[in-house]
Amino acid sequence: GAGVSQTPSNKVTEKGKYVELRCDPISGHTALYWYRQSLGQGPEFLIYFQGTGAADDSGLPNDRFFAVRPEGSVSTLKIQRTERGDSAVYLCASRPSAGANVLTFGAGSRLTVL
Amino acid sequence: GQNIDQPTEMTATEGAIVQINCTYQTSGFNGLFWYQQHAGEAPTFLSYNVLDGLEEKGRFSSFLSRSKGYSYLLLKELQMKDSASYLCAVRESNYQLIWGAGTKLIIKP
Repeated sequence: GAGVSQTPSNKVTEKGKYVELRCDPISGHTALYWYRQSLGQGPEFLIYFQGTGAADDSGLPNDRFFAVRPEGSVSTLKIQRTERGDSAVYLCASRPSAGANVLTFGAGSRLTVL
Repeated sequence: GQNIDQPTEMTATEGAIVQINCTYQTSGFNGLFWYQQHAGEAPTFLSYNVLDGLEEKGRFSSFLSRSKGYSYLLLKELQMKDSASYLCAVRESNYQLIWGAGTKLIIKP
């Protein structure tokens, strides 16, 4: 597509529920990132994919968070047993390759856990 | 450790010039980015510096001094639409970026 697309744009859920957030990167972009951003803060790194594999998942806060990118394009961030502290904007970004410079961000998925 | 510092908030007047500073301490350096983020929107790329000096792009310029761990973003002829947060990020490795918390810029008429 023309840009990075993220769905849903807004998600309200109850504590303890399971959530999936989807990212559709720019076509042909092999590098894909997930970030989490809280109000008044910069993006916090969660996970980086190069192709289908998670090259660095050191930013995932705990084992309730998991992400996949099975065909090297669309990625899904999965959060189990959501907690109120998971409330944030989840940003996805992509770039053409590992060596390319500029990251293009999606508009984000705002997650609210009640 | 890794640290990127930028002012939390700045206020400037429409038509004026403002300089937003960023200092960094990272374990690696492969370039510094500035992104603009309007409230509720995605960050958008403004500039990239990897060598020392000033890069000018229209009303926006970005400066880098690697020896001082310092960068600034200069915005000229400020417009109301420039009200946004400005994020400084250091590319620490081939793929990893370290982000500052952002500077919220408020433009007054």
